[in-house]
Amino acid sequence: DQQVKQNSPSLSVQEGRISILNCDYTNSMFDYFLWYKKYPAEGPTFLISISSIKDKNEDGRFTVFLNKSAKHLSLHIVPSQPGDSAVYFCAAITTSGTYKYIFGTGTRLKVLA
Amino acid sequence: DTAVSQTPKYLVTQMGNDKSIKCEQNLGHDTMYWYKQDSKKFLKIMFSYNNKELIINETVPNRFSPKSPDKAHLNLHINSLELGDSAVYFCASSQGSKAFFGQGTRLTVV
Repeated sequence: DQQVKQNSPSLSVQEGRISILNCDYTNSMFDYFLWYKKYPAEGPTFLISISSIKDKNEDGRFTVFLNKSAKHLSLHIVPSQPGDSAVYFCAAITTSGTYKYIFGTGTRLKVLA
Repeated sequence: DTAVSQTPKYLVTQMGNDKSIKCEQNLGHDTMYWYKQDSKKFLKIMFSYNNKELIINETVPNRFSPKSPDKAHLNLHINSLELGDSAVYFCASSQGSKAFFGQGTRLTVV
Protein backbone atom coordinates (compact mmCIF):
# COMPACT_ATOMS: atom_id res chain seq x y z
CA ASP A 1 0.00 0.00 0.00
CA GLN A 2 1.73 3.13 -1.24
CA GLN A 3 1.18 5.85 1.34
CA VAL A 4 3.11 8.36 -0.75
CA LYS A 5 2.53 8.46 -4.50
CA GLN A 6 4.12 10.27 -7.37
CA ASN A 7 1.94 9.49 -10.33
CA SER A 8 4.14 11.03 -13.00
CA PRO A 9 7.22 8.90 -13.61
CA SER A 10 8.75 11.53 -15.86
CA LEU A 11 8.50 15.17 -16.83
CA SER A 12 10.23 17.24 -19.52
CA VAL A 13 10.45 21.01 -19.30
CA GLN A 14 12.19 23.69 -21.34
CA GLU A 15 15.01 25.57 -19.66
CA GLY A 16 13.75 28.76 -18.03
CA ARG A 17 10.19 27.47 -17.62
CA ILE A 18 8.51 26.23 -14.47
CA SER A 19 8.75 22.58 -13.40
CA ILE A 20 5.92 21.28 -11.24
CA LEU A 21 6.32 17.94 -9.56
CA ASN A 22 3.37 16.44 -7.73
CA CYS A 23 2.96 14.12 -4.79
CA ASP A 24 -0.10 12.64 -3.09
CA TYR A 25 -0.31 10.93 0.27
CA THR A 26 -2.91 8.94 2.11
CA ASN A 27 -1.85 9.06 5.76
CA SER A 28 -3.20 12.13 7.54
CA MET A 29 -0.77 11.49 10.42
CA PHE A 30 2.20 12.65 8.34
CA ASP A 31 3.35 15.95 9.76
CA TYR A 32 6.46 16.67 7.73
CA PHE A 33 7.10 16.41 4.01
CA LEU A 34 10.40 16.53 2.19
CA TRP A 35 11.68 16.59 -1.35
CA TYR A 36 14.90 14.85 -2.31
CA LYS A 37 16.85 15.09 -5.53
CA LYS A 38 18.83 12.15 -6.84
CA TYR A 39 21.45 12.02 -9.55
CA PRO A 40 22.51 8.66 -11.05
CA ALA A 41 24.95 6.69 -8.89
CA GLU A 42 24.49 9.09 -5.96
CA GLY A 43 22.37 9.06 -2.84
CA PRO A 44 19.26 11.23 -2.48
CA THR A 45 20.09 14.76 -1.35
CA PHE A 46 17.74 16.87 0.70
CA LEU A 47 16.19 19.75 -1.23
CA ILE A 48 13.37 21.37 0.70
CA SER A 49 10.78 20.45 3.33
CA ILE A 50 7.52 21.68 4.76
CA SER A 51 5.74 21.17 8.03
CA SER A 52 2.10 20.13 7.91
CA ILE A 53 1.11 23.32 9.71
CA LYS A 54 2.26 25.39 6.74
CA ASP A 55 1.01 25.59 3.19
CA LYS A 56 4.09 27.00 1.50
CA ASN A 57 7.83 27.02 1.92
CA GLU A 58 10.22 28.75 -0.42
CA ASP A 59 13.97 28.43 -0.85
CA GLY A 60 15.44 30.23 -3.81
CA ARG A 61 14.13 28.71 -7.02
CA PHE A 62 12.33 25.94 -5.12
CA THR A 63 8.89 26.26 -3.55
CA VAL A 64 6.86 23.50 -1.97
CA PHE A 65 3.10 23.85 -1.62
CA LEU A 66 1.01 21.72 0.69
CA ASN A 67 -2.75 21.21 0.39
CA LYS A 68 -3.71 19.20 3.45
CA SER A 69 -7.37 18.86 2.58
CA ALA A 70 -6.43 17.28 -0.74
CA LYS A 71 -3.46 15.40 0.77
CA HIS A 72 -1.36 16.81 -2.01
CA LEU A 73 1.95 18.58 -2.25
CA SER A 74 3.89 19.96 -5.13
CA LEU A 75 7.40 21.19 -5.82
CA HIS A 76 7.81 24.16 -8.11
CA ILE A 77 11.16 24.92 -9.68
CA VAL A 78 11.42 28.23 -11.43
CA PRO A 79 13.29 28.95 -13.58
CA SER A 80 14.26 25.38 -14.45
CA GLN A 81 17.89 24.77 -15.33
CA PRO A 82 19.56 21.83 -17.11
CA GLY A 83 21.35 20.99 -13.84
CA ASP A 84 17.98 20.34 -12.26
CA SER A 85 17.63 17.21 -14.41
CA ALA A 86 17.43 14.39 -11.86
CA VAL A 87 14.96 12.10 -10.15
CA TYR A 88 12.90 13.84 -7.47
CA PHE A 89 11.49 11.89 -4.55
CA CYS A 90 8.76 13.08 -2.28
CA ALA A 91 8.95 11.77 1.30
CA ALA A 92 6.75 12.01 4.37
CA ILE A 93 7.29 11.32 8.05
CA THR A 94 5.47 11.43 11.32
CA THR A 95 7.59 13.23 13.89
CA SER A 96 6.07 11.52 16.90
CA GLY A 97 7.60 8.19 17.75
CA THR A 98 9.94 6.73 15.18
CA TYR A 99 11.05 8.87 12.26
CA LYS A 100 10.16 6.58 9.40
CA TYR A 101 10.61 8.25 6.04
CA ILE A 102 8.14 6.98 3.47
CA PHE A 103 9.15 7.73 -0.10
CA GLY A 104 7.22 8.11 -3.31
CA THR A 105 8.39 6.31 -6.42
CA GLY A 106 10.10 9.33 -7.89
CA THR A 107 9.67 11.59 -10.91
CA ARG A 108 12.44 11.91 -13.46
CA LEU A 109 12.76 15.55 -14.49
CA LYS A 110 14.51 16.43 -17.70
CA VAL A 111 15.20 20.09 -18.35
CA LEU A 112 15.84 20.71 -22.01
CA ALA A 113 18.36 23.36 -23.02
CA ASP B 1 34.43 15.20 4.97
CA THR B 2 31.56 13.12 3.64
CA ALA B 3 28.60 13.23 6.04
CA VAL B 4 27.28 9.71 5.45
CA SER B 5 29.68 7.29 3.84
CA GLN B 6 29.12 3.69 2.94
CA THR B 7 31.47 1.07 1.57
CA PRO B 8 31.80 -0.54 -0.82
CA LYS B 9 30.11 1.43 -3.59
CA TYR B 10 29.82 -1.67 -5.78
CA LEU B 11 29.60 -5.28 -4.71
CA VAL B 12 29.30 -8.26 -7.03
CA THR B 13 29.02 -11.65 -5.41
CA GLN B 14 27.73 -15.15 -5.97
CA MET B 15 24.52 -16.61 -4.62
CA GLY B 16 24.91 -18.16 -1.22
CA ASN B 17 27.75 -15.90 -0.11
CA ASP B 18 27.71 -13.70 3.00
CA LYS B 19 28.59 -10.04 2.62
CA SER B 20 28.66 -6.84 4.66
CA ILE B 21 28.10 -3.20 3.81
CA LYS B 22 29.50 -0.60 6.17
CA CYS B 23 28.05 2.81 6.97
CA GLU B 24 29.44 5.66 9.00
CA GLN B 25 28.08 9.14 9.68
CA ASN B 26 30.04 12.06 11.11
CA LEU B 27 27.03 14.30 11.70
CA GLY B 28 26.50 13.31 15.32
CA HIS B 29 23.02 12.05 14.51
CA ASP B 30 21.23 9.65 16.83
CA THR B 31 19.22 7.80 14.19
CA MET B 32 20.50 5.73 11.29
CA TYR B 33 18.68 3.78 8.59
CA TRP B 34 19.08 1.26 5.84
CA TYR B 35 16.96 1.68 2.72
CA LYS B 36 16.70 -0.58 -0.29
CA GLN B 37 16.04 0.69 -3.81
CA ASP B 38 14.85 -2.17 -5.95
CA SER B 39 14.67 -2.57 -9.73
CA LYS B 40 11.45 -0.56 -9.82
CA LYS B 41 13.28 2.29 -8.07
CA PHE B 42 11.15 2.10 -4.91
CA LEU B 43 13.04 3.39 -1.87
CA LYS B 44 11.90 1.20 1.01
CA ILE B 45 12.99 1.37 4.60
CA MET B 46 14.56 -1.80 5.98
CA PHE B 47 15.84 -0.87 9.42
CA SER B 48 16.21 2.08 11.71
CA TYR B 49 18.43 2.40 14.76
CA ASN B 50 18.31 5.09 17.41
CA ASN B 51 21.33 5.31 19.69
CA LYS B 52 22.38 1.78 18.76
CA GLU B 53 18.92 0.35 19.43
CA LEU B 54 16.74 -1.18 16.73
CA ILE B 55 13.51 0.80 16.41
CA ILE B 56 12.22 -0.18 12.97
CA ASN B 57 12.43 -3.55 11.28
CA GLU B 58 10.26 -3.66 8.20
CA THR B 59 9.69 -7.42 7.88
CA VAL B 60 13.06 -7.90 6.32
CA PRO B 61 14.22 -11.55 6.02
CA ASN B 62 16.40 -12.51 8.95
CA ARG B 63 19.25 -13.17 6.51
CA PHE B 64 19.71 -9.40 6.86
CA SER B 65 21.25 -8.44 10.18
CA PRO B 66 22.09 -4.83 10.99
CA LYS B 67 24.80 -4.14 13.55
CA SER B 68 25.36 -0.84 15.29
CA PRO B 69 28.59 -0.87 17.30
CA ASP B 70 28.13 2.80 18.15
CA LYS B 71 25.72 5.51 17.11
CA ALA B 72 27.99 6.65 14.27
CA HIS B 73 27.99 3.26 12.56
CA LEU B 74 25.30 1.00 11.17
CA ASN B 75 26.56 -1.97 9.21
CA LEU B 76 24.45 -4.37 7.22
CA HIS B 77 25.35 -8.03 7.05
CA ILE B 78 23.59 -10.29 4.60
CA ASN B 79 23.78 -14.07 4.81
CA SER B 80 23.11 -16.59 2.04
CA LEU B 81 22.68 -13.99 -0.66
CA GLU B 82 19.91 -14.55 -3.21
CA LEU B 83 19.41 -13.18 -6.70
CA GLY B 84 16.49 -11.07 -5.43
CA ASP B 85 18.81 -9.23 -3.05
CA SER B 86 20.31 -7.41 -6.02
CA ALA B 87 19.51 -3.74 -5.46
CA VAL B 88 21.01 -0.47 -4.37
CA TYR B 89 21.25 -0.14 -0.60
CA PHE B 90 21.32 3.31 0.97
CA CYS B 91 22.39 4.19 4.46
CA ALA B 92 21.01 7.38 6.01
CA SER B 93 21.10 9.30 9.26
CA SER B 94 18.82 11.91 10.75
CA GLN B 95 18.44 14.25 13.68
CA GLY B 96 15.11 15.95 13.64
CA SER B 97 13.18 15.91 10.42
CA LYS B 98 15.90 15.78 7.75
CA ALA B 99 17.59 12.59 6.68
CA PHE B 100 20.95 12.55 4.93
CA PHE B 101 21.85 9.68 2.65
CA GLY B 102 25.02 7.92 1.68
CA GLN B 103 25.97 7.42 -1.95
CA GLY B 104 24.55 3.92 -2.09
CA THR B 105 25.99 0.43 -2.54
CA ARG B 106 25.00 -1.39 -5.70
CA LEU B 107 24.81 -5.06 -4.83
CA THR B 108 24.67 -7.54 -7.69
CA VAL B 109 24.15 -11.19 -6.89
CA VAL B 110 25.06 -13.56 -9.73
